[in-house]
Amino acid sequence: EDKVVQSPLSLVVHEGDTVTLNCSYEVTNFRSLLWYKQEKKAPTFLFMLTSSGIEKKSGRLSSILDKKELSSILNITATQTGDSAIYLCAFHSGYALNFGKGTSLLVTP
Amino acid sequence: KAGVTQTPRYLIKTRGQQVTLSCSPISGHRSVSWYQQTPGQGLQFLFEYFSETQRNKGNFPGRFSGRQFSNSRSEMNVSTLELGDSALYLCASSNADRAGDYGYTFGSGTRLTVV
Repeated sequence: EDKVVQSPLSLVVHEGDTVTLNCSYEVTNFRSLLWYKQEKKAPTFLFMLTSSGIEKKSGRLSSILDKKELSSILNITATQTGDSAIYLCAFHSGYALNFGKGTSLLVTP
Repeated sequence: KAGVTQTPRYLIKTRGQQVTLSCSPISGHRSVSWYQQTPGQGLQFLFEYFSETQRNKGNFPGRFSGRQFSNSRSEMNVSTLELGDSALYLCASSNADRAGDYGYTFGSGTRLTVV
């Protein structure tokens, strides 16, 4: 059975800290891995990764996929209170996104 | 350009009733997917439509159904509501012919409460 496991489930850090969120997967048909940020309702798209070892960056956020280890990490440097959210990892195996349970990040001032 | 629009934003229904939720994708997007989000199960895939055809369906009972119109707008219907159907229902659109080649844009969801 396909599954996505995210760790940690929750995290509290101080502003300015760097955080690393983890996502591991077991899938039978991998097409892409996606990261989303969910603050209130609509998950907002962060990254889509298809190739192993290629880092994607957007400002203070970056992500990389390791197909050999079946995992991905999301890094956030110099965290701000606005980064507080649930971060969702999902893989796409065909016609659907299969989500992990998410990592809840709280950045305190 | 307008995002994914879901209506209504909130709904309160009684057990046994049925409900219809609506989703208007980003203009030009032909793929619409529906997801159910609950605290216990997280985000779970319901079904996906592309050019008015259901391409895939998740592991939900037949009480959950959907359709897509020629303008790509989609509706999902839940009949004989149960308390466990209380959830945030999210719609996502994509402009990919081949699912998984592009990211999905989510709407803000419909919060359904069954009492």
